[in-house]
Amino acid sequence: AQSVAQPEDQVNVAEGNPLTVKCTYSVSGNPYLFWYVQYPNRGLQFLLKYITGDNLVKGSYGFEAEFNKSQTSFHLKKPSALVSDSALYFCAVRDGNIKDTNAGKSTFGDGTTLTVKP
Amino acid sequence: NAGVTQTPKFQVLKTGQSMTLQCAQDMNHNSMYWYRQDPGMGLRLIYYSASEGTTDKGEVPNGYNVSRLNKREFSLRLESAAPSQTSVYFCASSEGKYNEQFFGPGTRLTVL
Repeated sequence: AQSVAQPEDQVNVAEGNPLTVKCTYSVSGNPYLFWYVQYPNRGLQFLLKYITGDNLVKGSYGFEAEFNKSQTSFHLKKPSALVSDSALYFCAVRDGNIKDTNAGKSTFGDGTTLTVKP
Repeated sequence: NAGVTQTPKFQVLKTGQSMTLQCAQDMNHNSMYWYRQDPGMGLRLIYYSASEGTTDKGEVPNGYNVSRLNKREFSLRLESAAPSQTSVYFCASSEGKYNEQFFGPGTRLTVL
């Protein structure tokens, strides 16, 4: 089975400060990890992913995430938050074990609402 | 490119009525997915189609059926709607099982 936890329902930061949105995962095979952002009344938009390679992944809009295998985490970060970053953020995982019948299914976390205040 | 389109955007049904949610993508993706989003519960996979002609159950398939009509289109049918199916439904597609997904704008369904 695969699962994702986003331990914080809400994250509040001041504009210009660094932000972190946390994600931990559990899979039986190799993890394929994704971050998505959702603005009000919109579908999800892809931000970045980790499949293999460098543990630090850079994505859209200045976001980055660090894959930590020992801590089974994939936290989303940004050095300097903008008010326009305020949105709902989802972490998702897929099991990279191609022999696993669940290999094609993504599991999403419950989401973290990021609020950036001016 | 329109990306992933969904119709309708909004729908109100009475308990027991049926309806089909339509989804189409113009990115030539092999895989397509249907999710529902409920407050505090993230996205839950209803059904997915790894490629044209195949479909598979997700986490919450009960009460739903799907059809992968061709490579572009993947529809979701509610045969007898129930209030528990009130939700926002998202269709998504991806180039393969291990690539990011592209999402449609969603269908907001209310079952009375």
